[in-house]
Amino acid sequence: DGGITQSPKYLFRKEGQNVTLSCEQNLNHDAMYWYRQDPGQGLRLIYYSQIVNDFQKGDIAEGYSVSREKKESFPLTVTSAQKNPTAFYLCASSPSGASYEKLFFGSGTQLSVL
Amino acid sequence: DAKTTQPPSMDCAEGRAANLPCNHSTISGNEYVYWYRQIHSQGPQYIIHGLKNNETNEMASLIITEDRKSSTLILPHATLRDTAVYYCIVRSYGGSQGNLIFGKGTKLSVKP
Repeated sequence: DGGITQSPKYLFRKEGQNVTLSCEQNLNHDAMYWYRQDPGQGLRLIYYSQIVNDFQKGDIAEGYSVSREKKESFPLTVTSAQKNPTAFYLCASSPSGASYEKLFFGSGTQLSVL
Repeated sequence: DAKTTQPPSMDCAEGRAANLPCNHSTISGNEYVYWYRQIHSQGPQYIIHGLKNNETNEMASLIITEDRKSSTLILPHATLRDTAVYYCIVRSYGGSQGNLIFGKGTKLSVKP
């Protein structure tokens, strides 16, 4: 089946630890996105990428890092600099990133701090 | 900040039409209106989008006013499975190319 796979579904982070969230897509999409969602809130953009080896900061990039070495993969690292990492993280993709395209979302990763 | 304004919550009786309003008074000429919905702890699901003409698909209808400052999403026969948070989004294409700006959405509760 075509789609976006996020793993793990649940993740726990210890103080001072970096953790990496996986996002893989087999839709052959060029553009990929990471969003953060806090309880009762909408989604906020962390990073996005429209082509391999290139990515741009979103509205809340501080404390996060990404890489885009392969078209199908866009991992997000939550670093120890992110002081409030507990949230629901969503990955999405679209064919090219143009404004008329719809986004396809993964099922999300819930990150909690121990 | 989100560019859209939606009521925080709405109720709808099962089998009736659900009409969800959205205000986007600052929309520019090349921005699309998108609707997504999110069931608890899942990724958002695309519903429909439009530029200036009314649109219909198998899930819903989108009515956009002539001045494009507001729109309404219509679920013609709401079911209990339509209970979700519905997001009205204006798709910007500029410095943050192609990203969606999400507000808090409308929590729709479909009741038996």
